[in-house]
Amino acid sequence: EDKVVQSPLSLVVHEGDTVTLNCSYEVTNFRSLLWYKQEKKAPTFLFMLTSSGIEKKSGRLSSILDKKELFSILNITATQTGDSAVYLCAGKGVYSGGGADGLTFGKGTHLIIQP
Amino acid sequence: DGGITQSPKYLFRKEGQNVTLSCEQNLNHDAMYWYRQDPGQGLRLIYYSQIVNDFQKGDIAEGYSVSREKKESFPLTVTSAQKNPTAFYLCASSQTSLFGGGLTGELFFGEGSRLTVL
Repeated sequence: EDKVVQSPLSLVVHEGDTVTLNCSYEVTNFRSLLWYKQEKKAPTFLFMLTSSGIEKKSGRLSSILDKKELFSILNITATQTGDSAVYLCAGKGVYSGGGADGLTFGKGTHLIIQP
Repeated sequence: DGGITQSPKYLFRKEGQNVTLSCEQNLNHDAMYWYRQDPGQGLRLIYYSQIVNDFQKGDIAEGYSVSREKKESFPLTVTSAQKNPTAFYLCASSQTSLFGGGLTGELFFGEGSRLTVL
């Protein structure tokens, strides 16, 4: 059974700090790893990672994938209160029949940025 | 603007009643999905549909039913057989199905429907 484990489950930091969120995965026929940000209701897409060692960046957020260690991190530098959210990690496998494949989500990391 | 619309946002029902949650998208996406989100748990897949008039069970389909009569619409019915229906329900769509070999897999989510069974 596919599994995605995120850590920590919750994190409280002060504005301006840098945070690193972790995601480990065991996904059959792995294709990609996705990060989403969920502030109140609808998760919004952040990154999709398919290749090891290639950092993806968007402003203060960056993410990288290690396919050997089955691991990804999401970094947020100079955090702001608007970064407070649940960050979801999901691993995508290739459907190989006999059940539902696709995205397996982790439980999420609840990040709180204090002013 | 293109997007996914879920309704209602909040719903209260008595135990034993069926309820139907609406999901409409104008993104021209072929694939649509229903997820359930409980506190402290990740998103769990209920049903998905890769194309009109076709749908498949996800990991937790028991007690739920869906239909896909139009490309834009993928309603979810929570039946009285669902033992613990109180949850936050998210509908999503994607350009290509997550269940093919393509590398694209970005999901676009609706704002969710929170169902409380009294």
